[in-house]
Amino acid sequence: DTVLTQSPALAVSPGERVSISCRASEGVNSYMHWYQQKPGQQPKLLIYKASNLASGVPARFSGSGSGTDFTLTIDPVEADDTATYFCQQSWNDPRTFGGGTKLELK
Amino acid sequence: QVQLQQSGAELVKPGSSVKISCKASGYTFTSYDMHWIKQQPGNGLEWIGWIYPGNGNTKYNQKFNGKATLTADKSSSTAYMQLSSLTSEDSAVYFCARGNWRFDYWGQGVMVTVSS
Repeated sequence: DTVLTQSPALAVSPGERVSISCRASEGVNSYMHWYQQKPGQQPKLLIYKASNLASGVPARFSGSGSGTDFTLTIDPVEADDTATYFCQQSWNDPRTFGGGTKLELK
Repeated sequence: QVQLQQSGAELVKPGSSVKISCKASGYTFTSYDMHWIKQQPGNGLEWIGWIYPGNGNTKYNQKFNGKATLTADKSSSTAYMQLSSLTSEDSAVYFCARGNWRFDYWGQGVMVTVSS
């Protein structure tokens, strides 16, 4: 299975820029997607195919990368962005998710 | 608007089976795959498999072969997942999610608790 590795946690101050990384154990082309999950809620699609903003998602969110290294950037961070962020690949079977990065605001 | 409404929480006994549902609205049910995803408390997300309601084709994560069975009813725009031979390891929240290669809409999740 394709293993997706994310840093477990980050803490930033409102107004700052934050980058969340996701490294794949094998190439996934551009088929990497990012989700935001708040406690007690379902995940929400933010970015699809590495760099495409999902409908209704603020332009503060952006994505980049290809192959095995991908980044989700939030700039500027707002208080409402406190959540866990997951990457997910759909190039290799089975589809897999990263372990999630918990973003906390200082 | 697209909505996926899942059935309610389940408390089930070890060794039994459970069938949970996901009713779709706001789009053409037969045109998109429906995926199922497992999330254990404090853990990440695991992809279980998908069904294409248009023709009933399914694909499973090998890990869930024999554990999960996916079906769909076109007449009611509802997807189902049956989980069998339940153990404590199956206690989790289960989500349905629409998508062909990305999950653009998710259900609210169903908590399944396996306990005697």
